[in-house]
Amino acid sequence: DAKTTQPPSMDCAEGRAANLPCNHSTISGNEYVYWYRQIHSQGPQYIIHGLKNNETNEMASLIITEDRKSSTLILPHATLRDTAVYYCIVRVSGNTGKLIFGQGTTLQVKP
Amino acid sequence: GAVVSQHPSRVICKSGTSVKIECRSLDFQATTMFWYRQFPKQSLMLMATSNEGSKATYEQGVEKDKFLINHASLTLSTLTVTSAHPEDSSFYICSARSASGYTGELFFGEGSRLTVL
Repeated sequence: DAKTTQPPSMDCAEGRAANLPCNHSTISGNEYVYWYRQIHSQGPQYIIHGLKNNETNEMASLIITEDRKSSTLILPHATLRDTAVYYCIVRVSGNTGKLIFGQGTTLQVKP
Repeated sequence: GAVVSQHPSRVICKSGTSVKIECRSLDFQATTMFWYRQFPKQSLMLMATSNEGSKATYEQGVEKDKFLINHASLTLSTLTVTSAHPEDSSFYICSARSASGYTGELFFGEGSRLTVL
């Protein structure tokens, strides 16, 4: 299973864009990149996922490099409520669909 | 988005007793549900994959006789922690995937915090 590497923590000023990087250099061709976040003492919340094209939804944008070895999650205008642990996960291939969580990035949005 | 509900959200029990946690998909059918455990300041650890109508598949190191999983319907999976001990105290989280899509996202419950005295 492809592994991911994320910085353990990041700070971002409120109202600014938060750019969270993720390295997944061993990703294989049929594996998707998923992003989830977990606010303290809650279950993880789905943010976005993609295969090779950039994706955007109401929460965030996902930029995947052409070689698919890394990606960046962009929160365009971070708010204090975006303070959470963000997990970048590569979906295990096959139809079990299980998600294996790494350590994630703790994003602290500051006023 | 789709909703997954867990019950109870918090439970305190005495050592040696068994505790059941329910996970329900409220607005979709889930052929597969997943159970995770999370200790303080750590990431989520996958415990097992629960498939409707069949036996659960446990991850390496997870005791299947201690953590009983039942997935009797397309909307309900249960995790029973048998003969609980203080070291079983943790945050247990379930997730569910819609029956309609391999590429679809997994939805997570709110989590159940178990404290064993």
